[in-house]
Amino acid sequence: GNSVTQMEGPVTLSEEAFLTINCTYTATGYPSLFWYVQYPGEGLQLLLKATKADDKGSNKGFEATYRKETTSFHLEKGSVQVSDSAVYFCALSEDTDKLIFGTGTRLQVFP
Amino acid sequence: KAGVTQTPRYLIKTRGQQVTLSCSPISGHRSVSWYQQTPGQGLQFLFEYFSETQRNKGNFPGRFSGRQFSNSRSEMNVSTLELGDSALYLCASSWQGYLDNSPLHFGNGTRLTVT
Repeated sequence: GNSVTQMEGPVTLSEEAFLTINCTYTATGYPSLFWYVQYPGEGLQLLLKATKADDKGSNKGFEATYRKETTSFHLEKGSVQVSDSAVYFCALSEDTDKLIFGTGTRLQVFP
Repeated sequence: KAGVTQTPRYLIKTRGQQVTLSCSPISGHRSVSWYQQTPGQGLQFLFEYFSETQRNKGNFPGRFSGRQFSNSRSEMNVSTLELGDSALYLCASSWQGYLDNSPLHFGNGTRLTVT
């Protein structure tokens, strides 16, 4: 079945460091891919998405490129801020509203 | 524009009881989905409703049920509660869901504790 694998956390960085959170997926068809972020005590917010191969999603300085050949959708940011500290979830869906999530990666950014 | 509203924010129940959680979607949204979030299993899809009809269902036992009203508000019910049902239950709404590729907007969740 379909699945999403994310790197284990926590990821601990200093402010202004470069961020990469790895995400790979397994799917039978051509899924849409998403990154969601969850701040403490809140629900999930859509950070970015890509709906087909080679698409790049971007938002708030975060980027991720849909790589079909490596079945990956890694999240990157050039310079993280303390306010980026949160849990990040990679997810996929195939023509339904059923999202399949990865286990989440906690990011901690220190000043 | 008000976001997705879930009530109550916190619930404490005992084993064997039943519970009903409520979700009010963003105005105009017709699709409502429910997810369970636990430390062990992560985020898992429960079901999705569109125009009062269940359109998709996850792999949960029949104790978990839901419904959607004509105003798109949704409720989920869990009967015969078990300790393992303790979780954060998240509701998400969208305009038409995957039909128009609209994104999901999540509420802040209802935290259910079963003792």
